[in-house]
Amino acid sequence: EDKVVQSPLSLVVHEGDTVTLNCSYEVTNFRSLLWYKQEKKAPTFLFMLTSSGIEKKSGRLSSILDKKELFSILNITATQTGDSAVYLCAVANLISSGSARQLTFGSGTQLTVLP
Amino acid sequence: DAGITQSPRHKVTETGTPVTLRCHQTENHRYMYWYRQDPGHGLRLIHYSYGVKDTDKGEVSDGYSVSRSKTEDFLLTLESATSSQTSVYFCAIRPSGNTGELFFGEGSRLTVL
Repeated sequence: EDKVVQSPLSLVVHEGDTVTLNCSYEVTNFRSLLWYKQEKKAPTFLFMLTSSGIEKKSGRLSSILDKKELFSILNITATQTGDSAVYLCAVANLISSGSARQLTFGSGTQLTVLP
Repeated sequence: DAGITQSPRHKVTETGTPVTLRCHQTENHRYMYWYRQDPGHGLRLIHYSYGVKDTDKGEVSDGYSVSRSKTEDFLLTLESATSSQTSVYFCAIRPSGNTGELFFGEGSRLTVL
């Protein structure tokens, strides 16, 4: 059974802190690992990682994938109150029907950034 | 904006009644998905579609059926709603050619009393 595990489940920090969110996975036919940010509504896409060791960066957010150890981390530096959200990790794998790809999600990390 | 519209956005219904949720997309994407989101479980795949009339089951398909008679519409039906189906339902599309990124609709909150 495909599995994606995120830690910690929740995290409370103060503005300016740096946080590291973790995601480990066990899936068959791995294609990519994705990070999403979810505030009140739909998840919004942050990063997609397909290769080990190559850091993806967007402003204060960065992420890296280790395909040997089957995990990824999402770093947020100089956190702001607007970073408060649930961060979801998902792994895309190839499923049988018509080259569709399924995303298996972790249960998320609830990040709260206090002023 | 991925051009995805879900309806209704909120619904309250009673146990045993049928419910249909609609997902409409404007960009002719081949792949469409229905997920449910519950506390502690993240997003779980219910059904997906890889073309008109081509659908398959996901991880939590029991009690749900889907139909896709047109590229732009993917319907999720609960034949006889139960309280365990109280959830937020998200539709998603995947543009062809990428390695997994999904774009989500705004969600439909369903409460079954």
